Amino acid sequence: DTAVSQTPKYLVTQMGNDKSIKCEQNLGHDTMYWYKQDSKKFLKIMFSYNNKELIINETVPNRFSPKSPDKAHLNLHINSLELGDSAVYFCASSYGSPGSYEQYFGPGTRLTVT
Amino acid sequence: GENVEQHPSTLSVQEGDSAVIKCTYSDSASNYFPWYKQELGKRPQLIIDIRSNVGEKKDQRIAVTLNKTAKHFSLHITETQPEDSAVYFCAASTSNTGKLIFGQGTTLQVKP
Repeated sequence: DTAVSQTPKYLVTQMGNDKSIKCEQNLGHDTMYWYKQDSKKFLKIMFSYNNKELIINETVPNRFSPKSPDKAHLNLHINSLELGDSAVYFCASSYGSPGSYEQYFGPGTRLTVT
Repeated sequence: GENVEQHPSTLSVQEGDSAVIKCTYSDSASNYFPWYKQELGKRPQLIIDIRSNVGEKKDQRIAVTLNKTAKHFSLHITETQPEDSAVYFCAASTSNTGKLIFGQGTTLQVKP
């Protein structure tokens, strides 16, 4: 009965590799997000989709590409991984318009680039 | 651009005492102000939120106050317990952009 789930939970990879993180929500929410939490715990929005449409696209390198195959899924693909990409990535979802209601976070994916 | 400043970065209190965390925001169009609690290694979870048409909201030991004129809002936790120990984040968003801008976080330690 997990509301927002992410896979994998941990991801260790080498510089230059390409990796994907998957997110699914079973809450029937319209909006999904990706956040990056760095080593100083700072939480920053990366992307937001509303009904499969990209709404928020923060100034992240274009090596990061989100994809929403349907309302319940939002995946994040990262090309040519760099050391600075090491962080915890959180998926979240909410009802209605982006940023207007409570956001439910997934458990996070800890990405370590070596 | 949008910015949310949060203070203090760390806060240590004795069990039973009150804790106050303060945030200021830069975008006067901000209209939604949630507070999230993140325990070590866990996901952020909403503990309380307030909208711009309300000045104060309370839920048991937790309360939030909002001063729109001064563009600041605060979290008050009374009768703190060791299980309140966590990192607390304030955030602000506007319906214009839909972006939730988080503060830098406050690590609260409640000593038994």
